[in-house]
Amino acid sequence: AQSVAQPEDQVNVAEGNPLTVKCTYSVSGNPYLFWYVQYPNRGLQFLLKYITGDNLVKGSYGFEAEFNKSQTSFHLKKPSALVSDSALYFCAVRDEDGGATNKLIFGTGTLLAVQP
Amino acid sequence: EPEVTQTPSHQVTQMGQEVILRCVPISNHLYFYWYRQILGQKVEFLVSFYNNEISEKSEIFDDQFSVERPDGSNFTLKIRSTKLEDSAMYFCASNYGQSTGELFFGEGSRLTVL
Repeated sequence: AQSVAQPEDQVNVAEGNPLTVKCTYSVSGNPYLFWYVQYPNRGLQFLLKYITGDNLVKGSYGFEAEFNKSQTSFHLKKPSALVSDSALYFCAVRDEDGGATNKLIFGTGTLLAVQP
Repeated sequence: EPEVTQTPSHQVTQMGQEVILRCVPISNHLYFYWYRQILGQKVEFLVSFYNNEISEKSEIFDDQFSVERPDGSNFTLKIRSTKLEDSAMYFCASNYGQSTGELFFGEGSRLTVL
């Protein structure tokens, strides 16, 4: 069964500092990995995904994520945090052999708080 | 840019009442989904729908829930007899169908059951 874990409920970082939001996954086959962001009272917005190829993927708003197969991780990063990055971040996974539904399984979310 | 739209944005209902949440997925998408999020917490899969039938459902999606695509554009979630614990944000999502593709989410429908 597919699963994804986000070990931190909240990450606090000062504006201008680098940020990391952690994610680990478990799938039976090759993983397809996604990051979404949710601003208050809004839907989920797609940030980036890893399917295959380069382990470092770049996405929207200056975010990037690094796929590490040996550690089964897909941590979200940004070199310099902005106050406007404060939001709830979700990691999601789909098994390459996910069957007919293509559903995503989401982690529990990490609240990113960027202090000015 | 095409988007998934959901109505209503917020619905308040009494326990035991029927509720229908509506979604208009992106027009060329083939797979449709409902997810639920309680109090800004985990986003939980409810059901996926393809080719006019349910392709997968979770344990949450019991007999009180149903989905349909009545007219080729709308995709609805019906809760037959709402319970207090059904209070949540319900998100509709769609996808063209490729396994590598992300899901596109609507803004959500907040359901409050009193």
